[in-house]
Amino acid sequence: QKEVEQDPGPLSVPEGAIVSLNCTYSNSAFQYFMWYRQYSRKGPELLMYTYSSGNKEDGRFTAQVDKSSKYISLFIRDSQPSDSATYLCAMRDGSSNTGKLIFGQGTTLQVKP
Amino acid sequence: DTAVSQTPKYLVTQMGNDKSIKCEQNLGHDTMYWYKQDSKKFLKIMFSYNNKELIINETVPNRFSPKSPDKAHLNLHINSLELGDSAVYFCASSRAREAFFGQGTRLTVV
Repeated sequence: QKEVEQDPGPLSVPEGAIVSLNCTYSNSAFQYFMWYRQYSRKGPELLMYTYSSGNKEDGRFTAQVDKSSKYISLFIRDSQPSDSATYLCAMRDGSSNTGKLIFGQGTTLQVKP
Repeated sequence: DTAVSQTPKYLVTQMGNDKSIKCEQNLGHDTMYWYKQDSKKFLKIMFSYNNKELIINETVPNRFSPKSPDKAHLNLHINSLELGDSAVYFCASSRAREAFFGQGTRLTVV
C-alpha cells in the first residue's frame, strides 16, 4: 500500500464548476501538506501549503487537512480551462529535517469551456 | 528570473552511454533534491543534499551519482544507461518547508 493515495482520474468538469481533489495517507507523522499543479511537460508548481490541520484559502483555491481522517482536499471554485493540469498532493514528516516529500500519483483535471 | 533551472531539457541517448544533468538554484536554499517522475506521473525522491552534504539516498542503483559542488548546484551523473532509466528527472530546492521544482529533464534511452 502506498503511503499517499490519490485517484489519478481523469476528472472532466465544465467551466465554472467546483472541483474537489483528494488524497488519503497512512503515515500519522505527516505534518506538512502541499498541493502542486503540473502542466504538461512542465515542472510541478506549488499551489498551496498547509501545516497540520485546518483550512487555507488563496483566491479560488482552498486546501483542507483533516488529520484525524488522514485526508486532505483541494477545492477549486469557478474552474477555468487554464486550470486543466495534473494536481499532485505531497506530504512531509514533521519530525524529519530532510525535507523529503512523499507524493500522490496526481489527478489529471480537464476543464471544458 | 528562473529559480531552479536544469539542463538539458531533453536528452536522448543510447543504452550503455553515460550522461549528466545539471541543476542550479538562485533562491538561496540550503537543500537540493533529485526526483524521478515515471510514465504514470509518479514523483519519487532519489537524492537530497543539504549544504553540499548527502542526506537522502533512496534505493537508487549505483549507476546514479549526484554531486554538489556548492549549495546552489546539484548535478546528476548516470552511468551505463538502461532503457528503464527513461523518465523525467526533476531538480528541486527548499529552505525549510515546501520545495520548488525545475522544469525537468526528459531522458529517453533508446
